[in-house]
Order: sequence, then structure tokens, then C-alpha cells
Amino acid sequence: NAGVMQNPRHLVRRRGQEARLRCSPMKGHSHVYWYRQLPEEGLKFMVYLQKENIIDESGMPKERFSAEFPKEGPSILRIQQVVRGDSAAYFCASSPAGGNGYTFGSGTRLTVV
Amino acid sequence: DAKTTQPNSMESNEEEPVHLPCNHSTISGTDYIHWYRQLPSQGPEYVIHGLTSNVNNRMASLAIAEDRKSSTLILHRATLRDAAVYYCILRAPFRGSQGNLIFGKGTKLSVKP
Repeated sequence: NAGVMQNPRHLVRRRGQEARLRCSPMKGHSHVYWYRQLPEEGLKFMVYLQKENIIDESGMPKERFSAEFPKEGPSILRIQQVVRGDSAAYFCASSPAGGNGYTFGSGTRLTVV
Repeated sequence: DAKTTQPNSMESNEEEPVHLPCNHSTISGTDYIHWYRQLPSQGPEYVIHGLTSNVNNRMASLAIAEDRKSSTLILHRATLRDAAVYYCILRAPFRGSQGNLIFGKGTKLSVKP
């Protein structure tokens, strides 16, 4: 019974490149959440998605960031034209319908050089 | 979601019990009290949750004050692997667009051998 799978585990990008972070939710979970954790800080909510729908994107930066959760395949968090300030750990969580019982992945550590 | 207050850090000795406090004086009658922990370089991990009654599971116990304005997470015998940041989070019953957990700064627990 695999948990939430995130890949890659580590990602290095040069300034101006694009970063794509993938998240496969637990089997049976239809809700996906993305969080960002800057070094030495707490987790900040970014976006909440259900299949083919963005439910709450109140934590997403207005530019360069987008997220999707297609009918088939993993959820993708996309960061265009990365800057050094995007360097952080990005965590994905999933939950079943009803919202209780969140399971987090191990995260993707993005480093922008 | 209402706010919680936790000590920034606590220390414990290995194999001794640990009591991690959380104040939530503005909790509403329907808010659940959730605890998560984050081990170094990992994603958050669900620990326990409750509403009014004390709760026990294989990881910990949750003691909830009668007025629900505070709660205590109890680790019965701390091990070195329990060293983590512990987050106390209030969560309203799941309603449509309000899916995300809101993390505060948590309590950093250190366990000494």
C-alpha cells in the first residue's frame, strides 16, 4: 500500500528554468494539497485540488506558479522561470473525500542556482 | 480555523513520558484537534486527533481539557526517533472548499539519550 509518492526527491534548476513537481496520491484519495516549506520555517498552504478542479488556490503566488490534477496521472505543481527565492521543500498531501486523514509525501527539495 | 499556541521547544529524556501542551482558547464547538509531527527532512505525519474525549492510539494519547481550550499530546515513552516538530492544528468539519490544514510553528521536541 504505497503512500503519497512525490518525485523527484531533489531537483536543481538554474534561474529562469521551469520546475515540475509530481505527486501521486494514495490509492483511493481524491483530494490533493500542496504546501511549501522555506528553510527554517513552517509549512505554508499553496493549493487544494480535486480531480480536474482547483478548489482553493489562495496560497499560490499570483505569477509563475500553477497546479493541476488531471483525470489520469499525478498532480503537477509547475513553477516557471524559477528564482532563488523558490528554493524550498514542496510537500504534497492527499486525503479521501471528507477531508480527514491527511497523508503527506516525503517532499521535493528544489534548489535554484 | 482558530489559532493555537504551543511552546517553541521542549526537551525530554529517552524513555520518559513527554507532555506537549497546546492552547486553543478560541476553539469552536465543532473544531477537531489534530496533531501532526515532522521528523527532520521528512513530510508531516499524522499522530492523533480528537473532539471532546481523550483519545489513545499506538503512537500517543491526546488529553483534551473539559472546556476544550487546551489539550496535551502525551508520548508515553520518548525515543530518539520521536525527536521532531509537533504541530497542534484545529480543524473545522470538512466543508467543500475548506480542505487545507493550517500549520503554525509547532514545538520542536529534542530527546536526550
